[in-house]
Amino acid sequence: EAGVAQSPRYKIIEKRQSVAFWCNPISGHATLYWYQQILGQGPKLLIQFQNNGVVDDSQLPKDRFSAERLKGVDSTLKIQPAKLEDSAVYLCASSLERTGWETQYFGPGTRLLVL
Amino acid sequence: GDSVTQMEGPVTLSEEAFLTINCTYTATGYPSLFWYVQYPGEGLQLLLKATKADDKGSNKGFEATYRKETTSFHLEKGSVQVSDSAVYFCALSDPGTASKLTFGTGTRLQVTL
Repeated sequence: EAGVAQSPRYKIIEKRQSVAFWCNPISGHATLYWYQQILGQGPKLLIQFQNNGVVDDSQLPKDRFSAERLKGVDSTLKIQPAKLEDSAVYLCASSLERTGWETQYFGPGTRLLVL
Repeated sequence: GDSVTQMEGPVTLSEEAFLTINCTYTATGYPSLFWYVQYPGEGLQLLLKATKADDKGSNKGFEATYRKETTSFHLEKGSVQVSDSAVYFCALSDPGTASKLTFGTGTRLQVTL
C-alpha cells in the first residue's frame, strides 16, 4: 500500500513570508497528525485530526500556524508569517484509529529553512 | 506532563557489537511504548512497541521490554550491522491523551566495520 505522501520535500523562505505544506495519509486512515521536528530534538505534535475534526491543537502556535483537513483525507499546514525559529522538519503521520497503541505511519517530511 | 529521556548520542560501535540504548519515561497513566527509527534520508518507521508492563517488543533482532517498576524501555540488539546506523527515538502514548506520541530527543547510532 502507498505510504504517507508529503510535499514539498524542501522549502526555503525568508522570514515574514508564508508557506504551506501538504499531506496525503494512507488510504482509510482516520487519524492524521502534524509534528514539528527541530534539529537535535524529537518530533513534537502540533495538531491531530480525527477525520475532519480537530482532536488536539494545544501545541499549535495559532497566531501564525493553521491547519485544515476539509474532506477528512488530505491536509494542509500553513505558516503565516514565518519566523526564524520555524526552521524544522514538518512530519505528517496517520493511523487507522485513535487508540493509544495504534501504530502511526510517518511521511518523509518537509524540511523548512527560514532565512 | 509526559516525558521521555534517552541516552545522549552519538553511539559508535563496531559491527557485531552489543547495543543498548537507554530510555526512561514519565507518564500519568499506563502508556504504550515505542521505538521508532529514522534511517538517513528517510522518514520515521516503527521498529517495535509494547503496550503493557512486562511485554517485550521485538523486530529485526532488536528487543525492548516494558519495565513498569523502573519506568524504562531500553533498546537492545545482540549484534549490530552497518545497516543499523540510524537515529533511534523512544516514544510513549499515554491513553489519557488519546494517541498523541511524546518523543525523546533521539540517539544517533553509527556502526563501523
